[in-house]
Amino acid sequence: AQSVAQPEDQVNVAEGNPLTVKCTYSVSGNPYLFWYVQYPNRGLQFLLKYITGDNLVKGSYGFEAEFNKSQTSFHLKKPSALVSDSALYFCAVNGGANNLFFGTGTRLTVIP
Amino acid sequence: GAVVSQHPSWVICKSGTSVKIECRSLDFQATTMFWYRQFPKQSLMLMATSNEGSKATYEQGVEKDKFLINHASLTLSTLTVTSAHPEDSSFYICSARGQSRGYEQYFGPGTRLTVT
Repeated sequence: AQSVAQPEDQVNVAEGNPLTVKCTYSVSGNPYLFWYVQYPNRGLQFLLKYITGDNLVKGSYGFEAEFNKSQTSFHLKKPSALVSDSALYFCAVNGGANNLFFGTGTRLTVIP
Repeated sequence: GAVVSQHPSWVICKSGTSVKIECRSLDFQATTMFWYRQFPKQSLMLMATSNEGSKATYEQGVEKDKFLINHASLTLSTLTVTSAHPEDSSFYICSARGQSRGYEQYFGPGTRLTVT
């Protein structure tokens, strides 16, 4: 069965510093992995995805994620955090029937 | 990116009444639409998957008679919460997927339902 874990409920980082939001997954077969961001009272916005190919995936707003098969991880990263990056971030994995299984979310707060 | 809209964005209704939420894909044909429910400070829970012209497939524990889903066209799916109760209050989010968009899911902005 597919599952996703986001071990941190909250991540705080100073503006300008690099940020990492962690995600580990468990799937049978090859994983399709996604990152989404959610702002208050809004739906989810797609950031990036890994299907196949390069392990380092670049996405929207300067975010990137590294797929690590041996560690079954797909951590989201950004070299320099902005206050506007403060939001709720969800990692997801493609499940059966091509639906998505979401992690519990990580709230990122970028401190000015 | 593709645009998915939801209407209404928020609704308040009295207990016992029914509420219909619309999900539209504005610039692509959505062969599949998904309905999620999100509780405060929690993740999204998939409620059901609907394919155009077919009956929806409900996840375990979701009452199909309470949450009626219709996907009558390639651009519109509706979720009707029947005989709503306060415990149905939640944030409902739809997503849409289509062949022309690489089978990626695009999410609507969500609908906040409050049942009084």
